[in-house]
Amino acid sequence: KAGVTQTPRYLIKTRGQQVTLSCSPISGHRSVSWYQQTPGQGLQFLFEYFSETQRNKGNFPGRFSGRQFSNSRSEMNVSTLELGDSALYLCASSAQGSWETQYFGPGTRLLVL
Amino acid sequence: DAKTTQPPSMDCAEGRAANLPCNHSTISGNEYVYWYRQIHSQGPQYIIHGLKNNETNEMASLIITEDRKSSTLILPHATLRDTAVYYCIVRVANAGGTSYGKLTFGQGTILTVHP
Repeated sequence: KAGVTQTPRYLIKTRGQQVTLSCSPISGHRSVSWYQQTPGQGLQFLFEYFSETQRNKGNFPGRFSGRQFSNSRSEMNVSTLELGDSALYLCASSAQGSWETQYFGPGTRLLVL
Repeated sequence: DAKTTQPPSMDCAEGRAANLPCNHSTISGNEYVYWYRQIHSQGPQYIIHGLKNNETNEMASLIITEDRKSSTLILPHATLRDTAVYYCIVRVANAGGTSYGKLTFGQGTILTVHP
């Protein structure tokens, strides 16, 4: 079974721009969670989607948003990029409920100049 | 979710067992212990999890103390490719509400396997 895939793998943007990252979960998985990883803050939870509904959200500003499609694929969007948004963005999928094991993708590395 | 405490770094010789400790003294009865590892700049990789019984899979063994206040991840024959940051996480068994989808990562243990 194919793992979690994320596109693009690397991205360079400038301040003020917006960016959309994509995540395709493991086939059959319905829950997708997103995380941001920076050297200073470590891995931090962004939000979780299940059946196209956001069920939980971390402590990030409204510039960070996401959505999930009927095929469980998910996108996250960051508007008005700031230098501090430079990070590795990871998504993880799990089969059904949020208590089940999460499997992570390779991440998208975003650099904001 | 209960907080975990791990040593910041550990060394291990290639071929020897690596024993990574984790303290979770405030763990609740309905919280699982999960272990993930992250090799530089890659996504975290699931290793193993358990509730109260010891667990073993093809990657590692998880030993949980009887009082569940600490656990040890054992890599039986460490290789250079096991060099990574190892995260111990506890989370409720039926996560809901503000716990949906959320894993709380600490700083982890940097395991370095030497030739």
